[in-house]
Amino acid sequence: EAQVTQNPRYLITVTGKKLTVTCSQNMNHEYMSWYRQDPGLGLRQIYYSMNVEVTDKGDVPEGYKVSRKEKRNFPLILESPSPNQTSLYFCASSFVGDEQYFGPGTRLTVT
Amino acid sequence: AQSVTQLGSHVSVSEGALVLLRCNYSSSVPPYLFWYVQYPNQGLQLLLKYTTGATLVKGINGFEAEFKKSETSFHLTKPSAHMSDAAEYFCAVSDLYNFNKFYFGSGTKLNVKP
Repeated sequence: EAQVTQNPRYLITVTGKKLTVTCSQNMNHEYMSWYRQDPGLGLRQIYYSMNVEVTDKGDVPEGYKVSRKEKRNFPLILESPSPNQTSLYFCASSFVGDEQYFGPGTRLTVT
Repeated sequence: AQSVTQLGSHVSVSEGALVLLRCNYSSSVPPYLFWYVQYPNQGLQLLLKYTTGATLVKGINGFEAEFKKSETSFHLTKPSAHMSDAAEYFCAVSDLYNFNKFYFGSGTKLNVKP
């Protein structure tokens, strides 16, 4: 089944403790992206990747890192999480210029 | 950066009634335009998209949207609402100069009354 998977689905952590949210797709998509969803703000793009080793900033990249070492994986790294990064995170993938397929989301709480 | 405005964070319609969800974007040059739907506790799913060509775009589940350049709008409609249409709907646009960057509206929650 074609899908985008994210892990973990739920995470509660403390301020400053490094964490990684994984994202994997099995559709051979070149393009992958991370978004955060906050009430009243919709989705905001954090980072995106056009292909392996090619990444660029979205609208709200501060406090986040990404890497794209393999085509199927695009992990999101929070080196020192803060409470304002409490949010619902979505990974998405697509062929370039085509429909994006979204993962199920990761709900992150930073205390 | 683009901005996307969705009028009405909550819209309520009766089953069988017309659904109209509004979306306006900020640029005068047409970007790529999208409507996504999000059901509770799920990711987003594409309803329809406009890139070029015909300005009336048909999507899944009976939805359609019309791109109006003069009004910088891309409103979503469905002639007859079903209970299963209850969800949150997001309008999104691509960046004018970088089609890999996307901007989403704040979303409209659609409630369908029996």
